[in-house]
Amino acid sequence: DIVMTQSPDSLVVSLGERATINCKSSQSIFYSSNNKNYLAWYQLKPGQPPKLLFYWASIRDSGVPDRFSGSGSGTDFSLTISSLQAEDAAVYYCQQYYNTPITFGQGTRLEIK
Amino acid sequence: EVQLVESGGGLVQPGGSLRLSCAGSGFIFSSYWMTWVRQAPGKGLEWVANIKQDGSEKHYLDSVKGRFTISRDNAKNSLYLQMNSLRAEDTAVYYCARDIAAAGWVFGYWGQGALVTVSS
Repeated sequence: DIVMTQSPDSLVVSLGERATINCKSSQSIFYSSNNKNYLAWYQLKPGQPPKLLFYWASIRDSGVPDRFSGSGSGTDFSLTISSLQAEDAAVYYCQQYYNTPITFGQGTRLEIK
Repeated sequence: EVQLVESGGGLVQPGGSLRLSCAGSGFIFSSYWMTWVRQAPGKGLEWVANIKQDGSEKHYLDSVKGRFTISRDNAKNSLYLQMNSLRAEDTAVYYCARDIAAAGWVFGYWGQGALVTVSS
């Protein structure tokens, strides 16, 4: 199974500042035949279903603000939120879809101060 | 508009059974892989099972293999999860999810979730 490890587990960042969440896979999730990284990011708020933010590591889903960006390749990935807004407070998860079992990171809780 | 609506959650005793349903609308149900993902109280997201468009391929989390069965009825635009021999650690909100057309098993659409509580 591919283990996804996020860091940090939680972080507190000031309004308007930048936050970066890291995600590391236990093996490469880059598929050379199509040159794609099988990595997605989700945002989860209490009482709501998860919201897809990125797929293929860096492709922003429809409606996601451009202050969110995704990057990385192989085994190391990042989600960056620039100019944090109050509504960005949530738990963020990375997910690999390279193979089954599909696995998620443990989540990173982002608090805004 | 894509909609996924789960039903069938509830309280069940350890060792008991429950069947979750997910009704899809607003899209061609038979064209997409469908998936169940769960979140235990205070825990993270955990993929449970998925099923190919025609039901010919299914994958399961190891801890539910032999106890859970995923199925679908494309004529009824419905996805199911039959859960047997339930354990306390199966307590979670179970989400039905649909992948997006532009990628593989990436979940762009989710239901609101069905709470399953396994307790005596």
